[in-house]
Amino acid sequence: GDSVTQMEGPVTLSEEAFLTINCTYTATGYPSLFWYVQYPGEGLQLLLKATKADDKGSNKGFEATYRKETTSFHLEKGSVQVSDSAVYFCALDASGNTGKLIFGQGTTLQVKP
Amino acid sequence: DTGVSQDPRHKITKRGQNVTFRCDPISEHNRLYWYRQTLGQGPEFLTYFQNEAQLEKSRLLSDRFSAERPKGSFSTLEIQRTEQGDSAMYLCASSLAGGGTEAFFGQGTRLTVV
Repeated sequence: GDSVTQMEGPVTLSEEAFLTINCTYTATGYPSLFWYVQYPGEGLQLLLKATKADDKGSNKGFEATYRKETTSFHLEKGSVQVSDSAVYFCALDASGNTGKLIFGQGTTLQVKP
Repeated sequence: DTGVSQDPRHKITKRGQNVTFRCDPISEHNRLYWYRQTLGQGPEFLTYFQNEAQLEKSRLLSDRFSAERPKGSFSTLEIQRTEQGDSAMYLCASSLAGGGTEAFFGQGTRLTVV
């Protein structure tokens, strides 16, 4: 079945460091891919998305490129801030139309000043 | 619009009791989803509605679980005869119909079964 695998956390970085959180997926067809973020005490929020191969999603300095050949959607940011500390979830929608999301297990990011 | 709201935010119940959660989606959204999230894991899909029709249910949704969306607006999720394994965060999300559209999540209801 369809699935998402994320790198295990927690990831601890110093402010201004480069961030990569790996995400790979298994799906039939051509899924849409998403990164959601959950800040402490808040609900899940969409960070970025890509709906077809080679698309790059970007938002708030974060980027991820839909790589069909490697079935990956790695999240990157050039310079993290303390305020980026959160749990990041990679997700896919392989349903074609239902909007049903399949999530990875989440990766906790802690950024230290 | 204040986004997706869920009530209650926290619920502690004794094993064997019934509980009901409510979700109010964003008003113009015709799709509503329920997910369950346990500690250290990502959300798992339970069920979804388009308008008032329940279109898909996960195998995770045992016979003790029932969800409704009677007028295509708010939704309720009921768990009968709760078990300790039901302890989790129950998340509601809403969206417009269509693939690849953004789902907006509520803050969830945390259920603890003692």
